[in-house]
Amino acid sequence: KQEVTQIPAALSVPEGENLVLNCSFTDSAIYNLQWFRQDPGKGLTSLLLIQSSQREQTSGRLNASLDKSSGRSTLYIAASQPGDSATYLCAVRPEAGTALIFGKGTTLSVSS
Amino acid sequence: DGGITQSPKYLFRKEGQNVTLSCEQNLNHDAMYWYRQDPGQGLRLIYYSQIVNDFQKGDIAEGYSVSREKKESFPLTVTSAQKNPTAFYLCASSISAGWYNEQFFGPGTRLTVL
Repeated sequence: KQEVTQIPAALSVPEGENLVLNCSFTDSAIYNLQWFRQDPGKGLTSLLLIQSSQREQTSGRLNASLDKSSGRSTLYIAASQPGDSATYLCAVRPEAGTALIFGKGTTLSVSS
Repeated sequence: DGGITQSPKYLFRKEGQNVTLSCEQNLNHDAMYWYRQDPGQGLRLIYYSQIVNDFQKGDIAEGYSVSREKKESFPLTVTSAQKNPTAFYLCASSISAGWYNEQFFGPGTRLTVL
């Protein structure tokens, strides 16, 4: 059964630092992978979607990479800001037509 | 303004009661999903529907029921058979269950059992 792991569970950095969030999955046969942001008590906001045939996706200061063979994805955040403080969730879709399987998330705190 | 709405934002249930959580979307998406989130846990799938009048159980469907009579609506009923229903419930949708299927989420409903 597919399992998704995110390490570390929490991360604190000073403003301006570049950082990487990690996501690993046990079965490399995935359809796509999606990164989300969740603010406390709120729903999830989609950040980036990477199809299985892609290696990376970029949106503004965010860059997500995918290495299916090693079962890993990273979310790179450049020049972090206090407004980036949130929980970041990684999720994989095993096959077309199936629902997402989520990791437990990494809670990021960026101090000014 | 397109999006997913969930109501109510907060819901309180007494022991033995059934309650229904509303999820509506005006994105013209075919697929809709219900997830449950507990503190410190990832989201777990309760039910999903790929098309009107069709739905499938997820990993934790026991004690829950759904219907999909209209494309834009996917209500979730938490029955008295669900022994630990206190959680944050999130509804999501995607354009289809097929190729381009980025998933979008509503704001959530927090259910508390009194």
